[in-house]
This record gives sequence, structure tokens and C-alpha cells, in this order.
Amino acid sequence: GEQVEQLPSILRVQEGSSASINCTYENSASNYFPWYKQEPGENPKLIIDIRSNMERKQTQGLIVLLDKKAKRFSLHITDTQPGDSAMYFCAASARGGADRLTFGKGTQLIIQP
Amino acid sequence: EAAVTQSPRNKVTVTGGNVTLSCRQTNSHNYMYWYRQDTGHGLRLIHYSYGAGNLQIGDVPDGYKATRTTQEDFFLLLELASPSQTSLYFCASSDRAGNTLYFGEGSRLIVV
Repeated sequence: GEQVEQLPSILRVQEGSSASINCTYENSASNYFPWYKQEPGENPKLIIDIRSNMERKQTQGLIVLLDKKAKRFSLHITDTQPGDSAMYFCAASARGGADRLTFGKGTQLIIQP
Repeated sequence: EAAVTQSPRNKVTVTGGNVTLSCRQTNSHNYMYWYRQDTGHGLRLIHYSYGAGNLQIGDVPDGYKATRTTQEDFFLLLELASPSQTSLYFCASSDRAGNTLYFGEGSRLIVV
């Protein structure tokens, strides 16, 4: 199976600054890496994903980087806003999609005014 | 957006009790999943299914059974509930070639 490590578990940043969350995986065959955001009392929702044929992907203030050699991927949130406060989960799959995802333990992002 | 509905939303049962969590999706997705969410553990896959009558074992299946009766309906069964199964349970679905998991609203189970 796959193992996904996610750090940090809690991240506090000042509003307007950037936030970075890092994940590592073990299975070199993993080829799909999504990020889910879970707001308090809500269900997780996909915010961005990247496949193994890419090294970088960006959308609406979110940047995902993938380093296949190091088996590491990361989420960067630029110009953080109060609405970015949430739990973030990284995940990995060797099956190319949502099938058989292994999630990290999550990062609680707190945006401080 | 995909609609995934779970019931009950909240449940309290006693140790040794019998619990069924229900999930229905109305978007013709083939794949359905049951996850549990616990602080410090994230989301862990219990069981999943590729279609009606199909069942696959996830990462933490011990103490759980599941049945996929139709394309729409996926049930999680706890036949002898234990306090360690106190958790927030999420059902999710995805289409065959899709990348996105659509989660339900969650079912909070407390076993006393």
C-alpha cells in the first residue's frame, strides 16, 4: 500500500502572507496527487490536483509542486485570506484517479489577522 | 455538483450494538467509498465499490462490512460496535474515469 506523510499538522500564518504544506509518499508508482480542503463542519472538497507528468500546477492563488525523484509534493497558498482557514489534506494514488487514494493526516491552517 | 446523501447524520449506540450507515448518490457514479475521519489520522479508507454487487477492501476494514445494493446505494455495517469505532464517517463517490471524490455530509457515530 501507500503511505503519505503530511507536515505540518498545524500552520499559523499572517493574513496576506503565503502558506506551504508538504507531503511525501512511498510508492514510486503513485501518479495522481490531489489536495482537499475541509472547512469547519463541512465535507472535504477537491481544490487542486497534479499528475506525475507535471512538475507544477497553478490555479487561483494555489500552486502545487511535484518532485518525483524526492517523492514529495507541496501546496502553496499565496496571499492568504481568512477564508483559507481550514483543514487541508494531501493524497496519493497509484491508479491515476480517485480510486484507492491514501490521504495524509491533514494540516490545520489558521490565518491570523 | 455530485449529490451524496448520508444517513443518519448522528448516531449514538452502545458497545455491541448493530449500526447501519447509508449512502446514496444520484449522479450515476460507478465508484463509491466509505472513509472514517479521526483527529491525528486523517481520512482512512474502509471499503469501496466499483458498482452494484462489487466490494473492495480498504485500508482499515476490520469490524466493518459493506454492501452495494444498487449503483446509487452503499451501506456500511457495524455488527458489533466498539468504542474504537467512534468516528466521523464519510461516504464519497466518483465516476469511472473521474478524478474528483464527492463527499457526503458525514455521519457522526458515538459508541458508548
